[in-house]
Amino acid sequence: QSVLTQPPSVFAAPGQKVTISCSGTNSNIGKNYVSWYQQLPGTVPKLLTYENNKRPSGIPDRFSGSKSGTSATLTISGLQSGDEAEYYCGTWDTGLSTGVFGGGTKLTFL
Amino acid sequence: EVQLVQSGAEVKKPGESLKISCEGSGYRFSDYWIGWVRQMPGKGLEWMGIIYPDDSDIRYSPSFRGQVTISVDRSINTAYLQWSSLRASDTAMYYCARVVYILANSIYYHMDVWGKGTTVTVS
Repeated sequence: QSVLTQPPSVFAAPGQKVTISCSGTNSNIGKNYVSWYQQLPGTVPKLLTYENNKRPSGIPDRFSGSKSGTSATLTISGLQSGDEAEYYCGTWDTGLSTGVFGGGTKLTFL
Repeated sequence: EVQLVQSGAEVKKPGESLKISCEGSGYRFSDYWIGWVRQMPGKGLEWMGIIYPDDSDIRYSPSFRGQVTISVDRSINTAYLQWSSLRASDTAMYYCARVVYILANSIYYHMDVWGKGTTVTVS
């Protein structure tokens, strides 16, 4: 049981926009910065966004993160075939004094 | 180029010990925490713990405290994850990652550079 709650799967079509939610508590998302990671099949996780809404160099602006209260959202616009992957949210939990991940959301194309 | 190079795949028997490594390069190793993440076959990411090379300060996940040991040798820019007695349930991919962890009113935390992973098979 993950500390952060994500939907197990989302479905979308190429070119569309999709949002992936990540729900937490006042001890984690409500208090600290959120990051998102993309894991393509058989590959290493990659940082997509950090500090709620910043993107590392090289990440297209099609990927955007946001946070409101105890929830965070990853939005991917203009979906491309290479975006089919597992997506994870992460943050620090002040009460546990540990990092935490969501359970992951698999993005599948219709 | 910032990179983390992990040691190679391991195949072990239950009860054996193991130590895997993660060598950082391309940045000042002592300035960033190093974290370990487990991914069991077909499952999600699990946060195991982080260590600060400068003073070996460690944070363990309650799920992994007492099950593994995280250590570092900053003289060779290398972090380690070790088991004293492996179980079949330790079979997984283990990633190390560079961690930004800054204590402030809101904690800055993310894993920005990842190693390629070390596969551990216990059978």
